[in-house]
Order: sequence, then C-alpha cells, then structure tokens
Amino acid sequence: EPEVTQTPSHQVTQMGQEVILRCVPISNHLYFYWYRQILGQKVEFLVSFYNNEISEKSEIFDDQFSVERPDGSNFTLKIRSTKLEDSAMYFCASSPTLGWGEAFFGQGTRLTVV
Amino acid sequence: AQSVTQLGSHVSVSEGALVLLRCNYSSSVPPYLFWYVQYPNQGLQLLLKYTSAATLVKGINGFEAEFKKSETSFHLTKPSAHMSDAAEYFCAVSAGAAGNKLTFGGGTRVLVKP
Repeated sequence: EPEVTQTPSHQVTQMGQEVILRCVPISNHLYFYWYRQILGQKVEFLVSFYNNEISEKSEIFDDQFSVERPDGSNFTLKIRSTKLEDSAMYFCASSPTLGWGEAFFGQGTRLTVV
Repeated sequence: AQSVTQLGSHVSVSEGALVLLRCNYSSSVPPYLFWYVQYPNQGLQLLLKYTSAATLVKGINGFEAEFKKSETSFHLTKPSAHMSDAAEYFCAVSAGAAGNKLTFGGGTRVLVKP
C-alpha cells in the first residue's frame, strides 16, 4: 500500500541552526501539507502546497519556515534558524486531487532543538 | 472557522467493553469529519470519515461514528475493545474538497485493561 515516508525519524539540532525535514508523498497525490505536534498539544496545521506554490499557511508558518518540492518527488520543510519552541513532531501529509479533505500522514520527524 | 473539542484526554476501558470517544465540532460550512488513530511511534492513520452521505460511518478495525448535526457531534464507538486498540485517537474537521486543511482536536489516549 502506498505511504508517505519521512526522513529522518529523529533530528537533534542546536538553536539557531537550519534544519531540513524531508518527505516523499504518495506518488499520485498533488496536495501536500506539513503539520506539527508540540508534546502534549494538538496537531496543528502549518502549510499546504499545490501546483508548486503555497495554497494556505497558518500563523505559525512565519518567515523562518519555507517549503519546496525540489525534484517532483520530495517535499521539504526548512526551518532557517531553529528556536527551542520549534521542538515538536513534524508530520508530512498528502491527499489526492479528488477527495473529501482526508490526508495521508507520514510517521513524523521528531525535532529536538537544544 | 472550524474547531474540534474532544472530551477526555484519557479513557480507560476493559478488554471487551464498549469504547466511546467524544468529539464535538464547530464549523461555518458543512463539515467533513474524520477520526485518525496514532499507535505508538507511528503516524496518523485514517480510521473513518464522514462526507455528507450516511450519518453512520463504519471504519477500520470495527470502529464506527455517527454524525449528529443537531448536537454538532461525531462520537467514535467500538462495541468491544481489544488490547490492540490502545492508541491515541484524533477527531478532525475539514471544509471538505481536496486540498483543504484539517483542524484537529486535542486527542484522546485510550488505555485497554486486560
């Protein structure tokens, strides 16, 4: 069964460093998303991406964040200068062109900023 | 704007007993509703979805949910809990149609006692 894959599963980084989280969405999906879950809190929407551009972003997704689909298969989330409060589980998701809004999620990348 | 409230962050049930997880939503448009499950160290897996067809929706692993517009609820049930049902369960709402973001509730962690 097709699945969304994310790498790495865990990443530890120093405050102020740049990190790139990688995702390979399901191959025939055209909508891509990043969500995050800070420990003990809700899963929060960060950004959606369609047709090579951001279609919607949340207040969390400020100038420190960017997304890219560099090669037609990968979908990346870059955090330019990490802060302690960026520590969270980051989920990539994708959804088909036709559907009801359900998304298919990867296993997540746990980011720890020290 | 949309929001989801899950009553009870933790639920403990005995094996073989009824599982009932409560979800109430708020939506300015006709909602599309979802339940996701997260097993330890895994991503979010879609259990079932409501997309304005039948109000009683059946999902995987014996779970079902009923959409009640008058109560703005979408509670999840399973008649007989199994040890393998121990996980965290998330209710989510979308404005529907492909590409729309999901708004999640806070999650309910289910513990199944032998």
